[in-house]
Amino acid sequence: TQLLEQSPQFLSIQEGENLTVYCNSSSVFSSLQWYRQEPGEGPVLLVTVVTGGEVKKLKRLTFQFGDARKDSSLHITAAQPGDTGLYLCAGAYYGGATNKLIFGTGTLLAVQP
Amino acid sequence: DVKVTQSSRYLVKRTGEKVFLECVQDMDHENMFWYRQDPGLGLRLIYFSYDVKMKEKGDIPEGYSVSREKKERFSLILESASTNQTSMYLCASSLWDISYNEQFFGPGTRLTVL
Repeated sequence: TQLLEQSPQFLSIQEGENLTVYCNSSSVFSSLQWYRQEPGEGPVLLVTVVTGGEVKKLKRLTFQFGDARKDSSLHITAAQPGDTGLYLCAGAYYGGATNKLIFGTGTLLAVQP
Repeated sequence: DVKVTQSSRYLVKRTGEKVFLECVQDMDHENMFWYRQDPGLGLRLIYFSYDVKMKEKGDIPEGYSVSREKKERFSLILESASTNQTSMYLCASSLWDISYNEQFFGPGTRLTVL
């Protein structure tokens, strides 16, 4: 069974602080996606990383895929209240007839003004 | 604007009732998914479908069934609702290869089984 553990589970910080969210597994993934979910909405894709060691930047968000493609991190610089939400990583793997996606346990981020 | 819509935002049912959750996408996507979301557990896949009338079990299919008679519509059925099926249910769709393609989610249905 594929498992994706995220840490921390909860994070409450002040506006302007930096933070890092981790997504770890013992399994290898062909790609890793990060989603953000706001209250009352479905998750929305932030980024997809495909190559081991790949780093992608989206304004103040930096995403990294581990060299062995088993883990990933999301770093937010100078967090803002608009960053508040549930962050989910999702790893893709070959599951027989089709590729499959497994979601991590989620990190709930609250940024206080 | 691409969309995945779900038939209800909130639903309250009684134990033993048969429950239908409907999902419609307007993007001509091959794949459609049903997840349940519970605090601390992330999203867990119930069933998915990669073509009309095709379905595959996900990680937690027990107590659920699905139907996909048309490409744009994917239904989740709780044959006999139980209290442990109280949860947020999310529908999603994507293009064929989910490794590289975004999953588009509906807003979710919060189901309470009394």
